Amino acid sequence: DIQMTQSPSSLSASVGDRVTITCRASQSISAYLNWYQQKPGKAPKLLISAVSNLQSGVPSRFSGSGSGTDFSLTISSLQPEDFATYYCQESYSTLFTFGPGTKVDIK
Amino acid sequence: QVQLVESGGGVVQPGRSLRLSCTASGFIFSSYAMHWVRQAPGKGLEWVAVIWSDGSKKYYADSVKGRFTISRDNSNNTLFLQTNSLRAEDTAVYYCARDPYFGSGSYIDSWGQGTLVTVSS
Repeated sequence: DIQMTQSPSSLSASVGDRVTITCRASQSISAYLNWYQQKPGKAPKLLISAVSNLQSGVPSRFSGSGSGTDFSLTISSLQPEDFATYYCQESYSTLFTFGPGTKVDIK
Repeated sequence: QVQLVESGGGVVQPGRSLRLSCTASGFIFSSYAMHWVRQAPGKGLEWVAVIWSDGSKKYYADSVKGRFTISRDNSNNTLFLQTNSLRAEDTAVYYCARDPYFGSGSYIDSWGQGTLVTVSS
């Protein structure tokens, strides 16, 4: 089975900061990597599919990159509404494994 | 608009069963693969199971294989999760979620609000 890791597990940042979250797969997953955002008490929301495809309505300050085993999600200028937990998820296998999440909170 | 509404959660004793349902509206249910994803209190997301649009294929996480069964009724736009032999570690919010095509490169593009299952004596 594919294992997904994320780093850091949490981070504190200020509005306007550039933030990068890393996701690593235990084996190559090609470009089959998605990113979700979840706010407390809410269902997750798809931000990016297939490494870098920004979903409709998602601000352009979000971007994704990577291939193979190493991926990243970048928020170019953190906004108040971006404080949330972010999860990567592989769709290379049939088991759809999620990463453990990265919590972004206010410094 | 797309709506996914879960129901059937509650408090159940260890070893007992519960059947979760998810009623879909606002899209052609029979055209989409569907997932169950769960989240234990204060923890991350855990994928549970997926069923193809026509119900012909199903896959399960190792943690629930042999105990949980995913199914669907396309004529009534409803997804189910039969959960048997429940354990304390199955306590979680269970989300129903939509997938445009399931396969390499797919993703979950819509989620329900979740239903809480608590396994406790």
